[in-house]
This record gives sequence, structure tokens and C-alpha cells, in this order.
Amino acid sequence: SQTIHQWPATLVQPVGSPLSLECTVEGTSNPNLYWYRQAAGRGLQLLFYSVGIGQISSEVPQNLSASRPQDRQFILSSKKLLLSDSGFYLCAWSAVGTEAFFGQGTRLTVV
Amino acid sequence: EDQVTQSPEALRLQEGESSSLNCSYTVSGLRGLFWYRQDPGKGPEFLFTLYSAGEEKEKERLKATLTKKESFLHITAPKPEDSATYLCAVQARGSQGNLIFGKGTKLSVKP
Repeated sequence: SQTIHQWPATLVQPVGSPLSLECTVEGTSNPNLYWYRQAAGRGLQLLFYSVGIGQISSEVPQNLSASRPQDRQFILSSKKLLLSDSGFYLCAWSAVGTEAFFGQGTRLTVV
Repeated sequence: EDQVTQSPEALRLQEGESSSLNCSYTVSGLRGLFWYRQDPGKGPEFLFTLYSAGEEKEKERLKATLTKKESFLHITAPKPEDSATYLCAVQARGSQGNLIFGKGTKLSVKP
């Protein structure tokens, strides 16, 4: 069966520090991969998606970037965090045209 | 613009008191509508996919229905363990599987 791993679960980082969140998927090949952010009082907002290695599409211009160095690995990064980057970050995978399955999320607090 | 609106924002029920959650959507060609359950501090858990008007899906005390403009999640005789935030999302034809989410309905079931 397929599983998705996301870490860390919580993270407290100072303003201006770098960020790296990692997500890996097991049990499937060539999945579509997604990074979403969930802010209080708002719905899940799609940040990036990838349909293959090295293929990244950005939905929202921001201080973040994403990379997909391997088929089942998706990384969310920032060179310098802003206070506004705080939120709950979720990685997800799907086969094309089917439901998405989410990781357990990373609670990021920028202080 | 594709969008999803969920109502009510919050719903309090007594154990055994059946009710329905609403998800209204506008999308340029619906590929699928998805319901998720999210517990505090966790990633969304997939519940149902609906593809066409008139379709219905059931799982335990939950039943999801779909029309051309909205979906309902019916909860029959809820229990306290059904307390969670229920998220609705749509996927447009031609997308890469990206989901457009509503803000969710927070359901509380009191014993």
C-alpha cells in the first residue's frame, strides 16, 4: 500500500533563517506531488505541484521554492523565512485524476 | 474563477442528531469532487470522490451526494468521534490533479 511521510511535525524558526521540509512517498511510481499551506481561517492553498522529476509548477508567487530530486521525493525550501511564512504545510500525492492523499503536516512557526 | 464555498462554518450537534453539510462549487468542467475529514493538527483524511451529478457514496454514518452545483455530506446519528473539520474540494478537467478547497465545516458532536 502507498504511504506518505512528511517531516518534521513541528518547527520553530527565526525570521531570516532557511527552511527545508521533506516529503517522501512509498508504494507508487511517478506520482503527482503537491505542497499545500493551511492558514487559520482559510482553506488549503496550493503552493507547488510536480508531475515528474525536476518538473515544478508554482501556483502562488512567494518566498518559497520546491524541488523534486527523485521520483518520490518532494522538498519545500526557503532561503530566508518571513513571519508570514508561518502556517501548516501539507504534502500530498495523487495519481492523475484521482483523489489526493496527504501527509500529517508540518506546523511551522516563524519567530 | 473556480471556487468552493462550504456552509455552515461550524455545526454543533447532539449525539444522534442527524444533519447535512453543504459544499457549493463553480468550476470550469468538473473532473471530481472530494470530501475529506481533518482532525486538529493532522493532515486531511480522504473520505469520498464523486464524479457526476446524481452519484452517491456511503461510509458508515456518512453519505455524500452530488448535483451540478453542490454536494452534501449527510451525517446520520452522529457520534462524538465524528467531531472534526470536513473539507470539500473540486478538481477541474485539464488540471494536473490540483484540488481547490473550501474553508471547511467544523463539526462538534456532544454526547
